[in-house]
Amino acid sequence: GAVVSQHPSRVICKSGTSVKIECRSLDFQATTMFWYRQFPKKSLMLMATSNEGSKATYEQGVEKDKFLINHASLTLSTLTVTSAHPEDSSFYICSARDRTSGSRETQYFGPGTRLLVL
Amino acid sequence: SQKIEQNSEALNIQEGKTATLTCNYTNYSPAYLQWYRQDPGRGPVFLLLIRENEKEKRKERLKVTFDTTLKQSLFHITASQPADSATYLCALESTGGFKTIFGAGTRLFVKA
Repeated sequence: GAVVSQHPSRVICKSGTSVKIECRSLDFQATTMFWYRQFPKKSLMLMATSNEGSKATYEQGVEKDKFLINHASLTLSTLTVTSAHPEDSSFYICSARDRTSGSRETQYFGPGTRLLVL
Repeated sequence: SQKIEQNSEALNIQEGKTATLTCNYTNYSPAYLQWYRQDPGRGPVFLLLIRENEKEKRKERLKVTFDTTLKQSLFHITASQPADSATYLCALESTGGFKTIFGAGTRLFVKA
């Protein structure tokens, strides 16, 4: 099946610093990637939808200047949390869709990145 | 507003029994519904997709039903095993839309 990787898997940073998370589709071209955040025992909350070569579409309440998304190629999207604060601590998960495949509705998720801001 | 509800309480069952998880939704007309498995500290893994015109879908020990009148999906795991212990997420997507909404998930514990 399709594989999506995320890096890093865990990151601890000081308040005020920026953190970049990478999401890669390893064996398919991801025309669309999604970024979610998840709090303990809560649902995945969609933050933004990213299409290759165009600007990301952010969900209501998500600050685009704080959560910078770049989808530079068909296999890579990055999420940068700028000027991170303790309330940004969460589990960030990306997913990707392969719209050219027969299972284009399926989202393939990365393993997630645990961010802790001190 | 659109809402997806899954049992927030954990489901505890004995190995070998059938686990049944419920997903109810309101104010939504999904084109299809998906079930994912999520282990602690990991991303979700796709299990099954069922479309609005399908009543039932099976894959090995898994069975999903979809009742658009009741606005409900049931997810069954037969002959459950301790390795099936995880959180199971229900997800919906509407026709023409490209945004998936997830339920909060139900935690399943299968005891040996």
